[in-house]
Amino acid sequence: GAGVSQSPRYKVAKRGQDVALRCDPISGHVSLFWYQQALGQGPEFLTYFQNEAQLDKSGLPSDRFFAERPEGSVSTLKIQRTQQEDSAVYLCASSFGGAPYEQYFGPGTRLTVT
Amino acid sequence: RKEVEQDPGPFNVPEGATVAFNCTYSNSASQSFFWYRQDCRKEPKLLMSVYSSGNEDGRFTAQLNRASQYISLLIRDSKLSDSATYLCVVIPYGQNFVFGPGTRLSVLP
Repeated sequence: GAGVSQSPRYKVAKRGQDVALRCDPISGHVSLFWYQQALGQGPEFLTYFQNEAQLDKSGLPSDRFFAERPEGSVSTLKIQRTQQEDSAVYLCASSFGGAPYEQYFGPGTRLTVT
Repeated sequence: RKEVEQDPGPFNVPEGATVAFNCTYSNSASQSFFWYRQDCRKEPKLLMSVYSSGNEDGRFTAQLNRASQYISLLIRDSKLSDSATYLCVVIPYGQNFVFGPGTRLSVLP
């Protein structure tokens, strides 16, 4: 079956531009997670949805970061006025249930801000 | 102290060797644990869950020590294809996944 997909796979943005990153979770998965992974580090939690409800956004680094999942399936992570420190791989994961369940990751979007 | 810590390595071992990684966590209320592997420039993939009683999957054995707050991963008879970064994941009660920084393993011919 299809896994988690993300698009675009690579994005280069000039500082100050807005970007939108898309995630298509595994069909039927209730929970969706966004992570940020810097080079040489483990993924860091950004935000979590259960269906369309954003239950935890404690990991979003600033109010420039915004995520939505309006119909409980596809999700978009938006970053406004990108900064160089936003350069990272943004990973999306989905799971059948909530936090204790295994998560399945998409290939990520590598964002480079110049 | 970070919530989840791992020895970053790299661990360079010959094919056929046995290698073990530890991962320590600070939140004693943590309830679930996993090991993920991540190949270079790829996404993390679930390797195995870690159960209180310990569990084994082929050449891989995971152990949990709640008293000392660490989990371990043992790989026996290492293969070249085991070369990757191994990420431990800890789930504190009521929270989401917390990843360690990862341990790099290189299995050499």
